[in-house]
This record gives sequence, C-alpha cells and structure tokens, in this order.
Amino acid sequence: QKEVEQDPGPLSVPEGAIVSLNCTYSNSAFQYFMWYRQYSRKGPELLMYTYSSGNKEDGRFTAQVDKSSKYISLFIRDSQPSDSATYLCAMSAGGGNKLTFGTGTQLKVEL
Amino acid sequence: DAGVIQSPRHEVTEMGQEVTLRCKPISGHDYLFWYRQTMMRGLELLIYFNNNVPIDDSGMPEDRFSAKMPNASFSTLKIQPSEPRDSAVYFCASSLRLAGRYEQYFGPGTRLTVT
Repeated sequence: QKEVEQDPGPLSVPEGAIVSLNCTYSNSAFQYFMWYRQYSRKGPELLMYTYSSGNKEDGRFTAQVDKSSKYISLFIRDSQPSDSATYLCAMSAGGGNKLTFGTGTQLKVEL
Repeated sequence: DAGVIQSPRHEVTEMGQEVTLRCKPISGHDYLFWYRQTMMRGLELLIYFNNNVPIDDSGMPEDRFSAKMPNASFSTLKIQPSEPRDSAVYFCASSLRLAGRYEQYFGPGTRLTVT
C-alpha cells in the first residue's frame, strides 16, 4: 500500500462547478500538507500549503486537513477552463522538505 | 528570476548509453531535489542535497543512477547504463526555508526516452 493514495481521475466538470479533490495517507507523522498544480508538459507548481489540521482559503481555493481521518481535500469554487490540470497532493513529516506525493488527479473543466 | 533551469528538455537514447541530466537551481536556494515522474508510479523523490551535500539518496533506484552537486548553482543526474524502464520525466526542484516553511520550485523537466 502506498503512503499517499489519490484517485487518478480523470475528473470532468462543467465551468462554474465546485470541484473536490482528495487524498488519504497512512503515515501519522505527516504534518505539512501541500497541493501542487501541474499543467501538461510543465513542472508542478505550489498551490496551497497547510500545516497540521484545519482549513486554509486562498481565493477560489480551499484546503482542508483532517489528521484524525488522515484525509486532505482541495476545493475549487467557480471552476474555470484554466483550472484544467493535474493536481498532486504532497505531504511531509517534520521539516516539511522531504515530500511524498500522490499520483495526481487529472481535472478537466469544460465550457 | 529565471526559475529552475533543466537541460536537455528532451533526450532520446539507446539502451546501454550514458545519460546526463543537468540542473541549475534558483540562486540562493540551499536545497536541491531530483524527482522522477511516470504514469504508474507518479512523482518519486530520487535524491536531495542541502548546501551541495547529499542528504538522502534512498530513492535512487539502483547503482546505475548517480547524482552530483559540485557547486551551489549546478547539479547532474547520470544514468549509466540506461535501460528502457528508465524512460520518464525527470524533474529538478530547489527550495529555501522562509518563515519556517519550505516551498519547492520545480523546473520544466527532462523527458527521457530509452529505446
């Protein structure tokens, strides 16, 4: 079993929909949780960064962490075609620098 | 800032040949990472350096892989001899600790095909 599990999709939604992306993990030592966005044939770019449990909001994006359930989520409100990309969750134990990634969920937002 | 620079962007080689991938991190960053991405296994950390010193190479798949960082502005990942199963996209990333957190910045990747 992988340390981080993520549904690969693809996930297809209409423009304006609310998107929910999720990851589960098994390592209780993880304290730092990130979401990266990766456009086709590009490197991943950091989207959200969260420490420990709770919610964090940045514009149309909200990251949630539930350490008791070992479950993290990324919500995208009012989704746009430009949000079409692969979203990778990433996690780390103390220090936050050595990351373990999920395999990514491919999202397509259609007009 | 130019960001993390990787070269070449694409590499096609025959099985058994030596392959060298290059990376220039963002100036001032003190951590450098090498990752490999495949459809089956996702993004995997191969090795990372801090202040040019290898810290953790537990992700390096086998002795055919080696990485060096001779100075703060350059790193190489070498595969010798290459095999078809090494075909993947290889990413370099760099980071700096700011306000108690690290943010890794990725390069555009090198797409390696071994025939």
